[in-house]
Amino acid sequence: QKEVEQNSGPLSVPEGAIASLNCTYSDRGSQSFFWYRQYSGKSPELIMFIYSNGDKEDGRFTAQLNKASQYVSLLIRDSQPSDSATYLCAVREETSGSRLTFGEGTQLTVNP
Amino acid sequence: DTGVSQNPRHKITKRGQNVTFRCDPISEHNRLYWYRQTLGQGPEFLTYFQNEAQLEKSRLLSDRFSAERPKGSFSTLEIQRTEQGDSAMYLCASSSYHNEQFFGPGTRLTVL
Repeated sequence: QKEVEQNSGPLSVPEGAIASLNCTYSDRGSQSFFWYRQYSGKSPELIMFIYSNGDKEDGRFTAQLNKASQYVSLLIRDSQPSDSATYLCAVREETSGSRLTFGEGTQLTVNP
Repeated sequence: DTGVSQNPRHKITKRGQNVTFRCDPISEHNRLYWYRQTLGQGPEFLTYFQNEAQLEKSRLLSDRFSAERPKGSFSTLEIQRTEQGDSAMYLCASSSYHNEQFFGPGTRLTVL
Protein backbone atom coordinates (compact mmCIF):
# COMPACT_ATOMS: atom_id res chain seq x y z
CA GLN A 1 0.00 0.00 0.00
CA LYS A 2 1.31 3.40 -0.95
CA GLU A 3 1.70 5.85 1.88
CA VAL A 4 -0.25 8.58 0.10
CA GLU A 5 -2.72 7.70 -2.64
CA GLN A 6 -4.60 10.02 -4.93
CA ASN A 7 -7.48 9.21 -7.22
CA SER A 8 -6.04 8.37 -10.58
CA GLY A 9 -6.67 10.90 -13.29
CA PRO A 10 -6.93 12.48 -15.52
CA LEU A 11 -9.95 14.39 -14.25
CA SER A 12 -11.84 16.55 -16.68
CA VAL A 13 -14.52 19.08 -15.69
CA PRO A 14 -16.30 21.86 -17.59
CA GLU A 15 -15.57 25.47 -16.80
CA GLY A 16 -17.61 26.68 -13.85
CA ALA A 17 -18.05 23.22 -12.32
CA ILE A 18 -16.73 21.94 -9.01
CA ALA A 19 -13.59 19.81 -9.24
CA SER A 20 -13.11 17.27 -6.44
CA LEU A 21 -9.68 15.83 -5.74
CA ASN A 22 -9.18 13.07 -3.20
CA CYS A 23 -6.29 11.70 -1.19
CA THR A 24 -5.92 8.92 1.38
CA TYR A 25 -2.94 8.27 3.62
CA SER A 26 -1.74 5.29 5.58
CA ASP A 27 -0.05 6.80 8.66
CA ARG A 28 -2.77 7.35 11.23
CA GLY A 29 -0.48 9.65 13.20
CA SER A 30 -0.11 12.15 10.35
CA GLN A 31 -0.58 15.69 11.49
CA SER A 32 -0.27 18.04 8.55
CA PHE A 33 -1.72 17.95 5.06
CA PHE A 34 -0.92 20.04 2.03
CA TRP A 35 -2.17 20.55 -1.50
CA TYR A 36 0.26 21.71 -4.16
CA ARG A 37 -0.55 22.72 -7.73
CA GLN A 38 2.01 21.93 -10.41
CA TYR A 39 1.83 23.25 -13.95
CA SER A 40 3.59 21.24 -16.63
CA GLY A 41 7.33 21.82 -16.49
CA LYS A 42 7.10 23.95 -13.33
CA SER A 43 7.71 23.29 -9.65
CA PRO A 44 4.96 22.63 -7.06
CA GLU A 45 3.14 25.66 -5.69
CA LEU A 46 1.48 25.49 -2.27
CA ILE A 47 -2.22 26.33 -2.48
CA MET A 48 -3.75 24.92 0.73
CA PHE A 49 -2.77 23.38 4.02
CA ILE A 50 -4.94 21.90 6.77
CA TYR A 51 -4.04 20.62 10.20
CA SER A 52 -7.41 20.04 11.92
CA ASN A 53 -10.45 17.94 11.10
CA GLY A 54 -13.12 19.73 9.12
CA ASP A 55 -13.15 22.22 6.29
CA LYS A 56 -10.84 25.08 5.48
CA GLU A 57 -11.80 27.57 2.80
CA ASP A 58 -9.61 29.99 0.87
CA GLY A 59 -11.29 31.72 -2.05
CA ARG A 60 -12.43 29.11 -4.54
CA PHE A 61 -10.53 26.34 -2.74
CA THR A 62 -11.79 24.21 0.15
CA ALA A 63 -9.69 21.57 1.86
CA GLN A 64 -11.47 18.90 3.85
CA LEU A 65 -9.80 16.63 6.40
CA ASN A 66 -11.18 13.52 8.09
CA LYS A 67 -8.47 11.96 10.25
CA ALA A 68 -10.69 9.06 11.35
CA SER A 69 -11.07 8.00 7.72
CA GLN A 70 -7.51 9.07 6.85
CA TYR A 71 -8.88 11.13 4.01
CA VAL A 72 -8.19 14.62 2.73
CA SER A 73 -9.78 16.32 -0.24
CA LEU A 74 -9.59 19.52 -2.24
CA LEU A 75 -12.61 21.14 -3.83
CA ILE A 76 -12.20 23.79 -6.49
CA ARG A 77 -15.37 25.82 -7.06
CA ASP A 78 -16.11 27.68 -10.29
CA SER A 79 -13.26 25.87 -12.04
CA GLN A 80 -11.36 27.91 -14.60
CA PRO A 81 -9.17 26.75 -17.51
CA SER A 82 -6.22 28.25 -15.60
CA ASP A 83 -6.84 25.62 -12.88
CA SER A 84 -5.74 22.92 -15.35
CA ALA A 85 -2.68 21.40 -13.69
CA THR A 86 -1.53 18.43 -11.64
CA TYR A 87 -2.58 18.58 -8.00
CA LEU A 88 -0.29 16.93 -5.47
CA CYS A 89 -1.39 15.81 -2.03
CA ALA A 90 1.38 15.83 0.59
CA VAL A 91 1.39 14.53 4.14
CA ARG A 92 3.76 15.11 7.02
CA GLU A 93 3.73 11.86 8.94
CA GLU A 94 4.12 11.75 12.71
CA THR A 95 7.33 9.72 12.55
CA SER A 96 8.89 11.41 9.54
CA GLY A 97 10.22 14.57 11.11
CA SER A 98 9.81 17.41 8.70
CA ARG A 99 9.77 15.63 5.37
CA LEU A 100 6.66 15.50 3.20
CA THR A 101 5.39 12.35 1.52
CA PHE A 102 3.64 13.06 -1.76
CA GLY A 103 1.05 11.22 -3.78
CA GLU A 104 1.55 10.76 -7.50
CA GLY A 105 -0.77 13.65 -8.31
CA THR A 106 -4.06 14.01 -10.13
CA GLN A 107 -4.09 15.76 -13.48
CA LEU A 108 -7.02 18.14 -13.79
CA THR A 109 -8.27 19.60 -17.07
CA VAL A 110 -10.91 22.32 -17.06
CA ASN A 111 -12.60 22.59 -20.44
CA PRO A 112 -13.83 26.00 -21.62
CA ASP B 1 12.11 38.28 -5.55
CA THR B 2 12.30 36.75 -2.07
CA GLY B 3 11.36 33.18 -3.01
CA VAL B 4 13.53 30.08 -3.16
CA SER B 5 16.06 30.19 -5.97
CA GLN B 6 17.94 27.33 -7.61
CA ASN B 7 20.86 27.23 -10.02
CA PRO B 8 21.36 26.09 -12.63
CA ARG B 9 17.86 25.64 -13.98
CA HIS B 10 18.98 23.02 -16.48
CA LYS B 11 22.01 20.76 -16.54
CA ILE B 12 22.99 18.28 -19.22
CA THR B 13 25.91 16.03 -18.41
CA LYS B 14 27.52 12.84 -19.58
CA ARG B 15 27.30 9.66 -17.56
CA GLY B 16 30.12 9.46 -15.04
CA GLN B 17 30.53 13.21 -14.58
CA ASN B 18 29.97 15.03 -11.31
CA VAL B 19 27.35 17.76 -10.99
CA THR B 20 26.56 20.30 -8.27
CA PHE B 21 23.35 22.22 -7.73
CA ARG B 22 22.78 25.23 -5.52
CA CYS B 23 19.70 26.32 -3.56
CA ASP B 24 19.13 29.67 -1.85
CA PRO B 25 16.17 29.46 0.55
CA ILE B 26 13.80 32.19 1.64
CA SER B 27 16.00 34.32 3.89
CA GLU B 28 14.16 33.87 7.19
CA HIS B 29 13.66 30.11 6.78
CA ASN B 30 15.88 27.87 8.85
CA ARG B 31 14.86 24.56 7.25
CA LEU B 32 15.89 23.51 3.77
CA TYR B 33 14.83 20.37 1.92
CA TRP B 34 15.89 18.55 -1.23
CA TYR B 35 13.46 16.43 -3.22
CA ARG B 36 13.69 14.61 -6.54
CA GLN B 37 10.85 14.30 -9.02
CA THR B 38 10.60 12.11 -12.09
CA LEU B 39 7.95 12.33 -14.78
CA GLY B 40 4.49 11.30 -13.60
CA GLN B 41 5.53 10.97 -9.97
CA GLY B 42 5.27 13.18 -6.93
CA PRO B 43 8.44 14.61 -5.39
CA GLU B 44 10.49 12.16 -3.31
CA PHE B 45 12.31 13.36 -0.22
CA LEU B 46 16.10 13.23 -0.28
CA THR B 47 17.38 15.16 2.74
CA TYR B 48 16.80 18.18 4.95
CA PHE B 49 18.74 20.66 7.04
CA GLN B 50 17.86 22.68 10.07
CA ASN B 51 20.29 25.56 9.96
CA GLU B 52 23.61 23.89 9.08
CA ALA B 53 22.76 20.48 10.55
CA GLN B 54 21.67 17.70 8.19
CA LEU B 55 18.93 16.06 10.25
CA GLU B 56 17.52 13.40 7.93
CA LYS B 57 18.57 11.51 4.82
CA SER B 58 16.40 9.25 2.71
CA ARG B 59 17.40 5.73 1.78
CA LEU B 60 17.18 7.07 -1.78
CA LEU B 61 20.30 9.12 -1.13
CA SER B 62 23.07 6.78 -2.24
CA ASP B 63 26.73 7.30 -1.43
CA ARG B 64 27.09 9.20 -4.70
CA PHE B 65 24.88 11.98 -3.36
CA SER B 66 26.06 14.53 -0.83
CA ALA B 67 24.46 17.70 0.42
CA GLU B 68 25.83 20.55 2.48
CA ARG B 69 24.59 23.73 4.06
CA PRO B 70 27.82 25.08 5.55
CA LYS B 71 26.64 28.38 6.98
CA GLY B 72 22.98 27.62 7.43
CA SER B 73 22.06 29.70 4.40
CA PHE B 74 22.44 28.28 0.87
CA SER B 75 22.81 24.57 0.22
CA THR B 76 24.53 22.48 -2.43
CA LEU B 77 23.64 19.02 -3.67
CA GLU B 78 26.40 17.11 -5.43
CA ILE B 79 25.97 13.94 -7.45
CA GLN B 80 29.16 12.05 -8.22
CA ARG B 81 29.60 9.64 -11.12
CA THR B 82 26.19 10.42 -12.55
CA GLU B 83 24.06 7.63 -13.98
CA GLN B 84 21.20 7.85 -16.48
CA GLY B 85 18.80 6.98 -13.65
CA ASP B 86 19.75 10.24 -11.95
CA SER B 87 17.93 12.19 -14.66
CA ALA B 88 15.14 14.04 -12.86
CA MET B 89 14.00 17.40 -11.57
CA TYR B 90 15.81 18.28 -8.34
CA LEU B 91 13.67 20.48 -6.15
CA CYS B 92 14.65 22.55 -3.17
CA ALA B 93 12.15 23.80 -0.60
CA SER B 94 12.42 25.86 2.56
CA SER B 95 10.31 26.45 5.64
CA SER B 96 10.45 27.92 9.09
CA TYR B 97 10.39 25.08 11.65
CA HIS B 98 7.44 22.72 11.03
CA ASN B 99 5.60 25.16 8.82
CA GLU B 100 4.67 25.08 5.18
CA GLN B 101 7.35 24.26 2.61
CA PHE B 102 7.83 26.48 -0.42
CA PHE B 103 9.57 25.13 -3.48
CA GLY B 104 12.09 26.72 -5.79
CA PRO B 105 11.89 26.42 -9.58
CA GLY B 106 13.97 23.24 -9.64
CA THR B 107 17.03 22.07 -11.54
CA ARG B 108 16.32 19.69 -14.40
CA LEU B 109 19.17 17.20 -14.80
CA THR B 110 19.64 15.16 -17.96
CA VAL B 111 22.34 12.48 -17.94
CA LEU B 112 23.32 11.29 -21.42
